[in-house]
Amino acid sequence: GAGVSQTPSNKVTEKGKYVELRCDPISGHTALYWYRQSLGQGPEFLIYFQGTGAADDSGLPNDRFFAVRPEGSVSTLKIQRTERGDSAVYLCASSLSVNANTGELFFGEGSRLTVL
Amino acid sequence: SQKIEQNSEALNIQEGKTATLTCNYTNYSPAYLQWYRQDPGRGPVFLLLIRENEKEKRKERLKVTFDTTLKQSLFHITASQPADSATYLCALVPRLRDDKIIFGKGTRLHILP
Repeated sequence: GAGVSQTPSNKVTEKGKYVELRCDPISGHTALYWYRQSLGQGPEFLIYFQGTGAADDSGLPNDRFFAVRPEGSVSTLKIQRTERGDSAVYLCASSLSVNANTGELFFGEGSRLTVL
Repeated sequence: SQKIEQNSEALNIQEGKTATLTCNYTNYSPAYLQWYRQDPGRGPVFLLLIRENEKEKRKERLKVTFDTTLKQSLFHITASQPADSATYLCALVPRLRDDKIIFGKGTRLHILP
């Protein structure tokens, strides 16, 4: 597809379960971001990849959160032992490369996670 | 720590008037400042950016100013229309390649017919 694709669009899970959220960026975009957005708030930075490596993971709230991008394209955000406070919309964005051009981010529509 | 503040949670403007949104930041020296639009249930969409050495940028009915001394950007929508109603987010783009882009909380704009 032409845009950033995120799956699933909606995920309802029970407290304590494991969740994976997938992001398929725009082809050729080397930079990939994960953000978390709660109702009425702006996107909160989680992790940023340049290629396959995590350039900055300082936004991951704790060690239950982990993200990978093994081939420098698709990325998966993994949440272990989910808690109700993890409920939010998880946004993925890609960019050609920060500082290579304008750093303009192209966002997906998000994955809405609800932890019961 | 780095901080971005956007004015008021919601702004009501009469159709046809100019809407002005504010973005202030502290403890940061961005290379660029960007503005995005977000509609309910959708991801943010890029609108325009302004570089640190630019004072003003225009795109159709949109105008952005950037004052690096005040650490402030103003975002203007002229001749506002009900279709402009959305949440507007400002974002700071870092100088360093390996640093992150951070967003403000956003301002919800309502254009009243």
